[in-house]
Amino acid sequence: TQLLEQSPQFLSIQEGENLTVYCNSSSVFSSLQWYRQEPGEGPVLLVTVVTGGEVKKLKRLTFQFGDARKDSSLHITAAQPGDTGLYLCAGVVNYGQNFVFGPGTRLSVLP
Amino acid sequence: KAGVTQTPRYLIKTRGQQVTLSCSPISGHRSVSWYQQTPGQGLQFLFEYFSETQRNKGNFPGRFSGRQFSNSRSEMNVSTLELGDSALYLCASRTGTGGHEQYFGPGTRLTVT
Repeated sequence: TQLLEQSPQFLSIQEGENLTVYCNSSSVFSSLQWYRQEPGEGPVLLVTVVTGGEVKKLKRLTFQFGDARKDSSLHITAAQPGDTGLYLCAGVVNYGQNFVFGPGTRLSVLP
Repeated sequence: KAGVTQTPRYLIKTRGQQVTLSCSPISGHRSVSWYQQTPGQGLQFLFEYFSETQRNKGNFPGRFSGRQFSNSRSEMNVSTLELGDSALYLCASRTGTGGHEQYFGPGTRLTVT
């Protein structure tokens, strides 16, 4: 069974601070995705990282895929209240046959 | 392009009853996956349908079933509801051929009393 762990589970910070959340597994994934979910809504895909060591930037968000394709991190610079939400990582299994989700990091950015 | 729609958005049922949830994918998408989301277990994969056939299945009991119609709309059925079935049920659509981008609907919040 492939499992993903995320840390921290909860994070509450002030507007303007930087933060990093982590997604780890003992399994190798063909690619890894990050989603953000807001209350009452479904998850929204932020990025897919495919190559070991890959770094992708999306405005103030930086995503990194580990060299061994077992872990990933999401770094947010100068967090804003609009970044508040549940951040989920998902491992893509067998090139899209299945998706395994982590438990999520609940981020709260206070103004 | 319209997004993924799910109906109903909220549902309250009693133990032992059955329930059917509906999902309409993005136009042109042939794959629909269903997930259960709970505070304790997170997002868990139920099953995926592609071109009216179940392509993948998660680790859920046979009380959970689904189907897909020729227009790619999908339904999920849960029979003999248990209190532990209370959850947010999400469906996600994707093209099903090559792309891994999943687009989620807003979910159906099911409460079993």
